[in-house]
Amino acid sequence: DVKVTQSSRYLVKRTGEKVFLECVQDMDHENMFWYRQDPGLGLRLIYFSYDVKMKEKGDIPEGYSVSREKKERFSLILESASTNQTSMYLCASTFSSNQPQHFGDGTRLSIL
Amino acid sequence: AQSVSQHNHHVILSEAASLELGCNYSYGGTVNLFWYVQYPGQHLQLLLKYFSGDPLVKGIKGFEAEFIKSKFSFNLRKPSVQWSDTAEYFCAVSYTGGFKTIFGAGTRLFVKA
Repeated sequence: DVKVTQSSRYLVKRTGEKVFLECVQDMDHENMFWYRQDPGLGLRLIYFSYDVKMKEKGDIPEGYSVSREKKERFSLILESASTNQTSMYLCASTFSSNQPQHFGDGTRLSIL
Repeated sequence: AQSVSQHNHHVILSEAASLELGCNYSYGGTVNLFWYVQYPGQHLQLLLKYFSGDPLVKGIKGFEAEFIKSKFSFNLRKPSVQWSDTAEYFCAVSYTGGFKTIFGAGTRLFVKA
């Protein structure tokens, strides 16, 4: 069974800090995604990656960057955390868009 | 822009009631359709999917969905809900040849015991 592991379930950081969220998948999937989930807004795509070192902006990339140095790992970086980035962050992976995405448990990030 | 619209944000039902959650997507080509479910405190998981063939697809836990191409719809149904179906349900669409999956805003279902 596919396993997508996010490094933290809960994280509390301060405004202005640089924040790293890590995600690892164990199924050799080509595509990986970072979403944020907010009540009433569903899942909004921040960034995605379709191969090592390749990345594409999603719908809300401002204030975020990503890194994919290895196929199994996709990192989300908040360059200078702000309170409006308090949210649930979900990582997902899939072999192709024709296949379902597999999600991690999520990281609930609070920026104080 | 491509989009997915879920008709209801909150639904409250009694056990044994029938469920139908609406989902419409914007026109854009050949689609792959999904319903995901997120139970309280758990990760999103696939409920069912449609890629091609029979437009009526069956998923886990007695759920089914019908793809109506002319209406750009993919509604989720269950004839008799249980308390354990309390969860948030997301409709999602991807377009063949693309990378992205577009998610609806979600529908929170609460089933009263």
